[in-house]
Formats: sequence, structure tokens, C-alpha cells
Amino acid sequence: EIVMTQSPATLSVSPGERATLSCRASQSVSINLAWYQQKPGQAPRLLISGASTRATGVPAAFSGSGSGTEFTLTISSLQSEDFAVYFCQQYNDWPLTFGQGTKVEIK
Amino acid sequence: QVQLQTSGPGLVKPSETLSLTCTISGGSITGYYWSWIRQPPGKGLESIGYIHYSGSIGYNPSLQSRLTISVDTSKSQFSLKLNSVTAADTAVYYCARGSPVFDRWGQGTLVTVSS
Repeated sequence: EIVMTQSPATLSVSPGERATLSCRASQSVSINLAWYQQKPGQAPRLLISGASTRATGVPAAFSGSGSGTEFTLTISSLQSEDFAVYFCQQYNDWPLTFGQGTKVEIK
Repeated sequence: QVQLQTSGPGLVKPSETLSLTCTISGGSITGYYWSWIRQPPGKGLESIGYIHYSGSIGYNPSLQSRLTISVDTSKSQFSLKLNSVTAADTAVYYCARGSPVFDRWGQGTLVTVSS
């Protein structure tokens, strides 16, 4: 199965600053990559699919890029509600697999 | 706004069968794929499997031998059965709309496997 590796495990950022999260696939997944946000005690929320297409209602502050094996999620200016755990997920191959997550915490 | 609600026991004994049902409200079950995903405490997410309203199914190979997913369109429900459970199956179980991308999630239910 395709292994998804996210870095860093924890990212400390001040409100208003930019956050850059990375996701690497063990083999090419083309652009079949999604990002999810999960807050404590809540279900994940879809942010991005197709590596760069924002889901309905997702603010423009969230952007995704990359293809093949290297992907990035950028949050341009962190708001208080953006501090959460972010997961990437590949859907190029079955079984679908997720990264272990990056926790974005307040610096 | 479609909502997904998971129901089922929160405690299952080792070697027994874990059974969960997801009920869809505020939207139609037809026309979509429906999925199960789980998250062990403090860990990442694992895709369990999916079902289409028409009945086509896909299972994670790591769980396939123990897994059954079914759908009841008349009740707007789909279900999960995982047999011969062990402590490793302890997790929050989520139902979600879609496959391979999950655009609506239920609130999740913690299932603990313990005697």
C-alpha cells in the first residue's frame, strides 16, 4: 500500500503567520490527494481534493499544491480556528491511505 | 444539509462482532458512495471500506476477511460488521459520504474492545 508521510509532526505558528505543511507519498499518486482538518473531539473536515481544489466553503487562505509524490498545504494567515490537526490522504490506489497528521499549534 | 449519525454498541468483547449503523438524514442515500473510516485513540485515520447505494463494495485488504458492509436504501442506512475483534480494533469509527474523497462525516463513535 502507499505510505503517506507528513512533516513536521507539530508546527508552532503565531496567529497571522503562514503555515506550510508537507505530505510525501511513497510512490506517485498523481494529483489524487486530499487534505482534511480535524479539531479535538470532531470529525475531519474536507479542505482540498485533487491536490489543489478547495472544497465548498473552505476559505481562500487554504491552498494546496503538488503532484506525484510531494504535496504542500499552505495556510496563508493563521486564524484561531485554524489551529488543528491536518491529514493528507491519497486516493490514487486502493487501499486509501492517510498520513499520520500534522498538528498546528499556537506559538 | 446532509447529516450522518452512527449508532451501535460502544463496548465489544474480544472475538465477538462489532456492528455499527450509519443513518443518513437531510439528503438522499442514492447517487453516492458511503464509507467507513476508523481512528485508534491518538493515532491516524484508516480507511475501512465503502459501499455504493447500488451495492458495489470495496474493502481494505487488511480487514477484508472479517468485514461486511451493507446498505439499506429504504431506511437510508448503511452498516458495518467486523468479526473476531481484538483490542487492535478499538477506535473511533466514522461513517462518511463519498469514496475515495470524504466530503461529509458523521460525528464518530468510540468502540472499545475489552472483556
